[in-house]
Amino acid sequence: TQLLEQSPQFLSIQEGENLTVYCNSSSVFSSLQWYRQEPGEGPVLLVTVVTGGEVKKLKRLTFQFGDARKDSSLHITAAQTGDTGLYLCAVHFSGNTPLVFGKGTRLSVIA
Amino acid sequence: NAGVTQTPKFQVLKTGQSMTLQCAQDMNHEYMSWYRQDPGMGLRLIHYSVGAGITDQGEVPNGYNVSRSTTEDFPLRLLSAAPSQTSVYFCASSALGTSGDEQFFGPGTRLTVL
Repeated sequence: TQLLEQSPQFLSIQEGENLTVYCNSSSVFSSLQWYRQEPGEGPVLLVTVVTGGEVKKLKRLTFQFGDARKDSSLHITAAQTGDTGLYLCAVHFSGNTPLVFGKGTRLSVIA
Repeated sequence: NAGVTQTPKFQVLKTGQSMTLQCAQDMNHEYMSWYRQDPGMGLRLIHYSVGAGITDQGEVPNGYNVSRSTTEDFPLRLLSAAPSQTSVYFCASSALGTSGDEQFFGPGTRLTVL
């Protein structure tokens, strides 16, 4: 079984602080996605990365895909209470295999 | 577009009862899947389908059946519910299910088995 690990599992920070969460595997990905899930709702896609070393920005969120295509990070600058939620990474280990999710990082941003 | 819809939103069953969780999408997506979400376990794939008439097992298929008679619908059946099946169930769809495809999720069904 190919595993996907996310860290930290929980994170509680003050509004305005910066944070980084991580997604790692021992196996190479063909693509990686980050989703955010709010309480009582299904996950919603934030970004997809497909190229090793790729960096994508979405307002205050910066996503990086590792050069070796085995890891990724999500950095949030000046966190806001609206960033609170469960952040999930998900990968295809190859082009036609089903999407595999990590266990997520639960972020709480306190005013 | 309604996107991905799931019914019911909440359900309580007794051990041994059967039920069907409904899932429908109106985006003409070929790929549909069912996940369960438990505290600290993330999303685990139960079954998936790459098109009408084709289904396959995911990571945790035991105790669940699926069928895909149309592109739009992908029901999940619990034949004899067990307390271990208490969970939140999410249905998802994507255009092709291949690498990089965006998954669209329904709002979930919260199931409790007593």
